[in-house]
Amino acid sequence: GDSVTQMEGPVTLSEEAFLTINCTYTATGYPSLFWYVQYPGEGLQLLLKATKADDKGSNKGFEATYRKETTSFHLEKGSVQVSDSAVYFCALSDRSTNAGKSTFGDGTTLTVKP
Amino acid sequence: NAGVMQNPRHLVRRRGQEARLRCSPMKGHSHVYWYRQLPEEGLKFMVYLQKENIIDESGMPKERFSAEFPKEGPSILRIQQVVRGDSAAYFCASSAFGQGETQYFGPGTRLLVL
Repeated sequence: GDSVTQMEGPVTLSEEAFLTINCTYTATGYPSLFWYVQYPGEGLQLLLKATKADDKGSNKGFEATYRKETTSFHLEKGSVQVSDSAVYFCALSDRSTNAGKSTFGDGTTLTVKP
Repeated sequence: NAGVMQNPRHLVRRRGQEARLRCSPMKGHSHVYWYRQLPEEGLKFMVYLQKENIIDESGMPKERFSAEFPKEGPSILRIQQVVRGDSAAYFCASSAFGQGETQYFGPGTRLLVL
């Protein structure tokens, strides 16, 4: 079945540091890939997505590129802020099946210190 | 433009009682998904519904849990005879179409079983 593996956390960075959160996936079909962010006590918010190989999703300074050859979708940001502190989830949704569900990684907690 | 609505936001039940969680999808969305998030874990798929149909319930526990999405009104996730292990955050998501499409999440219902 489908699965998503995320870099384990927690990750602690200083403000303006470079961020990478690794994500690799296994899918039987041809998935769309997503990054979601969850702030304390809230639901998940879509951060960015990519629907086909070599697509780059970007939003609020975050980027991730759909790499089919390495089955990866690593999240990066060049300069993090304190307000980026949250839990980040990598997810996939397989378009080749009729399941519709998304499969999530276990989440990576990011703390940014001033 | 209201997003996905869930209520209640917090629910406390004693062991053996019933819990009813409601989800109203975004306007124009006819696909609803329920996920469960245990403390310090990622989201686990439970069930995928369209109006009056259960499409995929492969993540639902075999007993005590049921879900519906009637022609009129919100989707309901029902947990009968709750146990302490049911304590979790339950998230609903909706999408305009099915497989591979972006899912938009509600704020979640945090269930605490005493």
